[in-house]
Amino acid sequence: DSGVTQTPKHLITATGQRVTLRCSPRSGDLSVYWYQQSLDQGLQFLIQYYNGEERAKGNILERFSAQQFPDLHSELNLSSLELGDSALYFCASSPTGTGSTYNSPLHFGNGTRLTVT
Amino acid sequence: AQSVAQPEDQVNVAEGNPLTVKCTYSVSGNPYLFWYVQYPNRGLQFLLKYITGDNLVKGSYGFEAEFNKSQTSFHLKKPSALVSDSALYFCAVRAPISSGSARQLTFGSGTQLTVLP
Repeated sequence: DSGVTQTPKHLITATGQRVTLRCSPRSGDLSVYWYQQSLDQGLQFLIQYYNGEERAKGNILERFSAQQFPDLHSELNLSSLELGDSALYFCASSPTGTGSTYNSPLHFGNGTRLTVT
Repeated sequence: AQSVAQPEDQVNVAEGNPLTVKCTYSVSGNPYLFWYVQYPNRGLQFLLKYITGDNLVKGSYGFEAEFNKSQTSFHLKKPSALVSDSALYFCAVRAPISSGSARQLTFGSGTQLTVLP
């Protein structure tokens, strides 16, 4: 068990809808990362938050947004969903992502499988 | 920009035989390299990392990896494969914090390892 909790495990929704994915990081970890895993594009980095602030941005669509709350849990919001957004969305956490812990491994949750119909 | 290549989508090996999963990388400066494993319907699990020092790195479950700077490679190895090693393996690279490059962890496309009994 990585200690990272993601909910829900599965989500089925229709095109055009909006969903929210939730992530609770490992106890003590301040950084949260979101990744999208699909068959055609592999594992793509979306965005990173550190202690409530956006730290790095990857291939995240404008229809997607994220935030990290004071209790350090994070939410990924996906709107105007398209069929191509169907994928496995992973959250990962690490201690800080800077300084001496920059090279700490990421700990991944089990993901949320999103199916857009 | 940093990148990782895993040239083999699929590697098959007989139980008891040695296994190698290949990875090459491209990054500015000295790389920080990682291997992760993913079992079905699970998140990625950290196996090992190379930051500096000895080119042969030992990790979890008997896995090891050899860093070769001149060939920009970081191949994953195990002397004797087990059926339970069958999973999807990801190589990842992160630029050093001093490089000014994106600090995100960039993953390869993954290699499906199948160990045959």
